[in-house]
Order: sequence, then C-alpha cells, then structure tokens
Amino acid sequence: EIVLTQSPGTLSLSPGESATLSCRASQSVTNNYLAWYQQKPGQAPRLLIYGAFSRATGIPGRFSGSGSGTDFTLTISRLEPEDFAVYFCQQYSNSFTFGPGTKVDIK
Amino acid sequence: EVQLVESGGGLVQPGGSLRLSCAASGFSFSNFWMSWVRQVPGKGLEWVANIKEDGSIQYYVDSVKGRFTISRDNAKISLYLQMNSLRAEDTAIYYCARARDWGYFDYWGQGTLVTVSS
Repeated sequence: EIVLTQSPGTLSLSPGESATLSCRASQSVTNNYLAWYQQKPGQAPRLLIYGAFSRATGIPGRFSGSGSGTDFTLTISRLEPEDFAVYFCQQYSNSFTFGPGTKVDIK
Repeated sequence: EVQLVESGGGLVQPGGSLRLSCAASGFSFSNFWMSWVRQVPGKGLEWVANIKEDGSIQYYVDSVKGRFTISRDNAKISLYLQMNSLRAEDTAIYYCARARDWGYFDYWGQGTLVTVSS
C-alpha cells in the first residue's frame, strides 16, 4: 500500500498570500496518478487536480499541481476567502489511498 | 449537471446490515466506473470499493472484503453498497463518487452517515 504524508498539518495564511502544500508518497506514484481535493466543513470533497498537474473542470488558475515520483505539491497563489479549507492528496497508481490532509486556515 | 444522491444511512447495531443507494443523473452512468469512499466525521478519506461500468469487476479495500458488496443497476442508473457484519469502525459518512482514468474521483454525492453502535 502506498502511504501518503501531507505537510504541514495546518497552514495559517492571510488572503492574498500563496500556499504551498506538500504530499509525499512512501513509494513512487507511477504515471503521475496523483489527485488533489478541497473539502469545506459539511461538504463533500471537490476535485481540484488530477494527473499531478491537470486542473479539473471549473477550477481557477490560481490552483496548480506539480511533482513526480514520490514528491508532489499543490500551490494556491493569491488565496481567496473561499480557499480556506482542508486539502487532501490521493494516489491511484496502486489501489487508492488518501493523505491525512492539510488545513489552510485564516491567520 | 452531474448529480449523485446517496440514501440508506442510519443507525445500526454491530453485526447488523445496511444497504446504501446512490441515484445518479446528468451523465451516461453506464460509461463510468463508480466508487464508494468513506470518511469518519472530521477525519481523513478512505476508498471502500470500485465497480466497472458493466458491473463485471469489483475491487474492495481489505478491511471490508467479504462483508461489503458493491453493485449497480445501469437501467435504474443507481449504485449500491450492501454492508453486512457491520463493526463500530465502519461508522463514517459514505460518499458515492464517479471514478475517472481508473481512480480519481471527479464528482461526489453529499454523503450518507452510517453509525454502528449498540
């Protein structure tokens, strides 16, 4: 099983700042089969990024994904008020596992 | 507009059974793998099961193998999860999700809460 570790656990930032979220895998994620989701309280997760760097339909350009192998990054440039949420990474190259999440909260 | 609406959650005693349903609309249901993903409230996400477009292949997380069965009825545009021998650790919100490219989830339902407790 591929174990995903996300850091930091919590990121405290102000609107307008940029956020860099890390997702590290215990073994290589082949074919860049890595996705990112956003979840707000009381809501279902929302797909942001798939294939490590492809934005899902309707996702603003301030969200970008990068990385390969075992190290992946989600970058949110110029945080908007609606971006404060929990972010999960997920791999689908070997079964399907999720990271524990990074909470982005307002400083 | 893609919509997934789960139902069937509730309170059940340990060892009991429950059947979850997911009604789909807004897309060609029979052309997509479908999945169940669960989440203990306030905690992380766990993939539970996947089923192929025609229902011929299913995959499960080890912790539910032999107890849960995923199925679908393409004529009724519905996905199901039969859960038997339920345990306290199965308590979670269960989401129905559409799977793409083998395994990321591009649309999710609102979830249905399953509580296993005596």
